[in-house]
Amino acid sequence: NAGVTQTPKFQVLKTGQSMTLQCAQDMNHEYMSWYRQDPGMGLRLIHYSVGAGITDQGEVPNGYNVSRSTTEDFPLRLLSAAPSQTSVYFCASRPLALRGETQYFGPGTRLLVL
Amino acid sequence: LAKTTQPISMDSYEGQEVNITCSHNNIATNDYITWYQQFPSQGPRFIIQGYKTKVTNEVASLFIPADRKSSTLSLPRVSLSDTAVYYCLVGDGDTGGFKTIFGAGTRLFVKA
Repeated sequence: NAGVTQTPKFQVLKTGQSMTLQCAQDMNHEYMSWYRQDPGMGLRLIHYSVGAGITDQGEVPNGYNVSRSTTEDFPLRLLSAAPSQTSVYFCASRPLALRGETQYFGPGTRLLVL
Repeated sequence: LAKTTQPISMDSYEGQEVNITCSHNNIATNDYITWYQQFPSQGPRFIIQGYKTKVTNEVASLFIPADRKSSTLSLPRVSLSDTAVYYCLVGDGDTGGFKTIFGAGTRLFVKA
């Protein structure tokens, strides 16, 4: 199993540009989530999904969209990038049968918005 | 959601035992306590989880007193590779387990 994979590893955007961060998992996990981590800070939940077609907001959803058309993929879309969205983005997944605190994280995508 | 309080940073030397304490005064009856480890430029990695008393695995031990208002992660004989940020999380049973919250964590520096 590859686990949780994220692409790209690093991206530079200009203010106002849009892009999609990709996340995929091959463990057939129902639950997937997106977090952002700013320098020296903990992780903040952006959006999550409990299955295909079901998504909900986390702590900091503004400026981000998600969709879940398959169990495997959970892309995160930045509609109009802003410098405040410069961060490292982590995707995570877990089976619904496990407790919420037990997640498997991807390697992250480092995003710089100029 | 129960809030957690941890030291911002800790220093240790190779070969020592490191104990990181987390305070969670408002823990709910059905909440578990979970610890993660995060190396630089990597995603967090689950270390250990417990509900009460003591839990031990190949990586660490977790000590939870009877009142469950705090917990201590114990790393035996640390090495340089244990330098990382350690996060204490308390279960979010009131949201169905869907909104796990991470605090700022404890930065552990292991010196030679």
